[in-house]
Amino acid sequence: SQQGEEDPQALSIQEGENATMNCSYKTSINNLQWYRQNSGRGLVHLILIRSNEREKHSGRLRVTLDTSKKSSSLLITASRAADTASYFCATAKTSGSRLTFGEGTQLTVNP
Amino acid sequence: DTEVTQTPKHLVMGMTNKKSLKCEQHMGHRAMYWYKQKAKKPPELMFVYSYEKLSINESVPSRFSPECPNSSLLNLHLHALQPEDSALYLCASSLPGYRDWWELFFGEGSRLTVL
Repeated sequence: SQQGEEDPQALSIQEGENATMNCSYKTSINNLQWYRQNSGRGLVHLILIRSNEREKHSGRLRVTLDTSKKSSSLLITASRAADTASYFCATAKTSGSRLTFGEGTQLTVNP
Repeated sequence: DTEVTQTPKHLVMGMTNKKSLKCEQHMGHRAMYWYKQKAKKPPELMFVYSYEKLSINESVPSRFSPECPNSSLLNLHLHALQPEDSALYLCASSLPGYRDWWELFFGEGSRLTVL
């Protein structure tokens, strides 16, 4: 089974609004990453947050990590139609090289 | 633009065919991965090569055979596949040895259809 569970499964918003996606996981992690995938394309790495970090920013992206609750959130501010994609969280455990993906959130940004 | 190149982009094969998927990267990465992704599902790890040696095989059926001829190339040989093997096959690479080596760089994928 996948390490990460994301909610919501689908999110539809208007351009200019903020989008928040959540990810929960079950075991100890070394880091948590977020990826974006446009329909039928490869995944693109967005941001990585380490287990000793609580918040990280990259452009319009803000990621938080709460290791006590085993959860993370991805906030996209001032969304654009081009942000329409599937967003996956992925966790790397404290040892080993497996990166396990969550079920993903399908974000639709309407113009 | 992705720096991981996968060929072919689309492949249709019969259950008795033998075909190969190819992946190439020139970023100096020393870990390469094959993932399988079904529609509306997350990618599932199949194989990991680290320094050209197979380090992880996620109990993938033997009809999938990976090969890493050198540090830049990764192949996935396909033989006697089943229709349920139809999926998007993603190649990825990463740079081990640094703190963030688990950041993966993905190719655009090879869309496989098994008839």
